[in-house]
Amino acid sequence: GEDVEQSLFLSVREGDSSVINCTYTDSSSTYLYWYKQEPGAGLQLLTYIFSNMDMKQDQRLTVLLNKKDKHLSLRIADTQTGDSAIYFCAEKGGNNRKLIWGLGTSLAVNP
Amino acid sequence: DTAVSQTPKYLVTQMGNDKSIKCEQNLGHDTMYWYKQDSKKFLKIMFSYNNKELIINETVPNRFSPKSPDKAHLNLHINSLELGDSAVYFCASSQDGQGEFLRGYTFGSGTRLTVV
Repeated sequence: GEDVEQSLFLSVREGDSSVINCTYTDSSSTYLYWYKQEPGAGLQLLTYIFSNMDMKQDQRLTVLLNKKDKHLSLRIADTQTGDSAIYFCAEKGGNNRKLIWGLGTSLAVNP
Repeated sequence: DTAVSQTPKYLVTQMGNDKSIKCEQNLGHDTMYWYKQDSKKFLKIMFSYNNKELIINETVPNRFSPKSPDKAHLNLHINSLELGDSAVYFCASSQDGQGEFLRGYTFGSGTRLTVV
């Protein structure tokens, strides 16, 4: 079945770049997403990428998609303490009405 | 102005009780969802309604019953609450349709249910 995998934890120093990785199995994915969940809050859409793109940049965020390897990454430049959160990768297949979610990567930013 | 609102935000109740959580969205979306997030932060879809029709019904105990009186509302009723039901329950909505789904889901802020 469809699956999305992420490493569970990442720790970086303030000012460094963070790279959160995600792999998925559904070759018919149409959209891939990154969501952010701050402590005690709901999930917030951070960015998305179409499956026919290989890169998307939005201010400090860069999303890279390697469709051949089914690998998605989120790079956060100049990571700040306010970036500490859980980051969820999710994908939507062509025929699916639901998103398939990763387990989330908990990003800790140390001063 | 809240796009997806859930009530209550916190719910503490005893085992065996019956409780409901309500969700409303003012985005005009046609699909709504209930998710359960456990203590390890794993997200699991429970139900989805599209225009009041149940379209996703994952393996969830039948003590959980969703109800959608109209496409802007999706409520979750839980009978005979158990300790293992303690979790955060998130409501979400989306707009299906070509090109619309790129916005993904809009989530509510969650209902933290604690069963004692």
